[in-house]
Amino acid sequence: GAVVSQHPSWVICKSGTSVKIECRSLDFQATTMFWYRQFPKQSLMLMATSNEGSKATYEQGVEKDKFLINHASLTLSTLTVTSAHPEDSSFYICSASLTTGNTEAFFGQGTRLTVV
Amino acid sequence: GQSLEQPSEVTAVEGAIVQINCTYQTSGFYGLSWYQQHDGGAPTFLSYNALDGLEETGRFSSFLSRSDSYGYLLLQELQMKDSASYFCAVVFSGGYNKLIFGAGTRLAVHP
Repeated sequence: GAVVSQHPSWVICKSGTSVKIECRSLDFQATTMFWYRQFPKQSLMLMATSNEGSKATYEQGVEKDKFLINHASLTLSTLTVTSAHPEDSSFYICSASLTTGNTEAFFGQGTRLTVV
Repeated sequence: GQSLEQPSEVTAVEGAIVQINCTYQTSGFYGLSWYQQHDGGAPTFLSYNALDGLEETGRFSSFLSRSDSYGYLLLQELQMKDSASYFCAVVFSGGYNKLIFGAGTRLAVHP
């Protein structure tokens, strides 16, 4: 199966700083990736669609200036949480699929962000 | 808006059969997927239905009725390792598996 790798697995940062999370497709090219956020014991909430070579598409209510997404290559998308605050503490996870219409999404292992 | 409804918790014993229902109301529908997530882990794919009917994969089966906007995941011969959260997710048209998840069902399997 396809492998999606996310880095770091966990990060602790001070309030007001920025944190970058990487999502890589290791053995396939992904023109589109998705970023989700998950609070404890809750569902995965779609934040944005990351498109290689173009701007990301954000879901309603997600601040695009706070959650910067860059998809500069076919195997890497990054999510930068800018000016992080304690309420941004969450589990961030990315996904990608092999081809259009493929039925299975492959998820990274997730990044646990704690803002102190 | 988009909404998916599934029970919040289910409890069962080893060897039993459990059915987790999911009803959905979304704009755009390509299919219904099911994912399993253990605490602290990433979701893993279980099954997918694009057409009405039952799909069977080992101990897990999934059903879809598009006319009723309803599906379910059936878990048979439950094992302790099946204790996890199960999410139904609508796959949106346009490909690449854009998913909108339900709230999740926490399954606890007891001896």
